[in-house]
Amino acid sequence: GQNIDQPTEMTATEGAIVQINCTYQTSGFNGLFWYQQHAGEAPTFLSYNVLDGLEEKGRFSSFLSRSKGYSYLLLKELQMKDSASYLCAVRSDYKLSFGAGTTVTVRA
Amino acid sequence: DSGVTQTPKHLITATGQRVTLRCSPRSGDLSVYWYQQSLDQGLQFLIQYYNGEERAKGNILERFSAQQFPDLHSELNLSSLELGDSALYFCASSAPYSDTQYFGPGTRLTVL
Repeated sequence: GQNIDQPTEMTATEGAIVQINCTYQTSGFNGLFWYQQHAGEAPTFLSYNVLDGLEEKGRFSSFLSRSKGYSYLLLKELQMKDSASYLCAVRSDYKLSFGAGTTVTVRA
Repeated sequence: DSGVTQTPKHLITATGQRVTLRCSPRSGDLSVYWYQQSLDQGLQFLIQYYNGEERAKGNILERFSAQQFPDLHSELNLSSLELGDSALYFCASSAPYSDTQYFGPGTRLTVL
């Protein structure tokens, strides 16, 4: 089975940086995804890591350490529209298991 | 807009009834996934189809069933509905040889 942990809530100021951590325990591992979800809307794909290291994509970066069962999503130059839930998801076999999500609130 | 479409957007029905949710994947995608998202459970994987065949099963109840048709659209059938089945149901699709899933806008099911 999968066990995926991420903080429930985080608050940051517009223009700042926020780091959302995700730890996981899984019986198999085929990759880790980060999705953004605004309330009542569909999850939107942000990043995918299958090898250790940092993947950078504009203001968003994601890091993976498979030996530690650890990932983080880094959001830089925060904007008000970044207020959303961020979901960490682990792929094992053909299944994607999601964490409960981290609600990020960006304040002016 | 991910390119995945789902109908209907909203569905209100009564306990004991049966409903069908429909999903059309992105053009070229062969895999379709169904998820349930409720407030207390988060996003839960239900089932995956690949080119018409069932590939993986998650926490799908026996009252629920799904299929993928030759034109690759998929339907999720929910029967003997209970109050606890009220949730957002998402469909996602992925391209051949890709693990990235793109989600549709969801169907909000309310069971009264």
